[in-house]
Amino acid sequence: DVKVTQSSRYLVKRTGEKVFLECVQDMDHENMFWYRQDPGLGLRLIYFSYDVKMKEKGDIPEGYSVSREKKERFSLILESASTNQTSMYLCASSWPGPNYGYTFGSGTRLTVV
Amino acid sequence: SQKIEQNSEALNIQEGKTATLTCNYTNYSPAYLQWYRQDPGRGPVFLLLIRENEKEKRKERLKVTFDTTLKQSLFHITASQPADSATYLCAHHYTLSGNTPLVFGKGTRLSVIA
Repeated sequence: DVKVTQSSRYLVKRTGEKVFLECVQDMDHENMFWYRQDPGLGLRLIYFSYDVKMKEKGDIPEGYSVSREKKERFSLILESASTNQTSMYLCASSWPGPNYGYTFGSGTRLTVV
Repeated sequence: SQKIEQNSEALNIQEGKTATLTCNYTNYSPAYLQWYRQDPGRGPVFLLLIRENEKEKRKERLKVTFDTTLKQSLFHITASQPADSATYLCAHHYTLSGNTPLVFGKGTRLSVIA
């Protein structure tokens, strides 16, 4: 089974801190994605990557950046955490093309205080 | 812009009945549509993918239909069980080619009552 592993299940950070969320997948998938999920708003795409060192902005990239130095790892960075970034963060990976579903990690629930 | 909508926020049904969840989309018909299950505090799990030329797809007690005329997909769980209680999400790609990320509906929370 494909596994997508997110480094932390729960994280509490202070306002203004730089926060790193790590995601690793073990199936050699080209595509990787970061979403955040909030009640009433559903899943919203932050950034995605279709290849190593490649990144594209999603719908809500402000306040975030990403890094993909290796195929299996896709990191989400909150440059200066703010309380409105308190959310559930979900990483996913997939094969390229529309014929494949996404495999999601278990999520990181981030609280910024 | 393309929207994908799941009209019901929540659905309660009796154990043993068939649950039917709806996913509607505006503008163009996506070539592919996916359904996911999400348990509280967990990431979504991929269930089924249906293509526009497939009217129906089945997997065990799950059935998905795709009606491009109505711009709608229906997701059915037959002989529902309390263990089927979860949030179900539909999703499709931004573009017909499918080379863009998935856009998700907000989900329908299904509760199966024993």
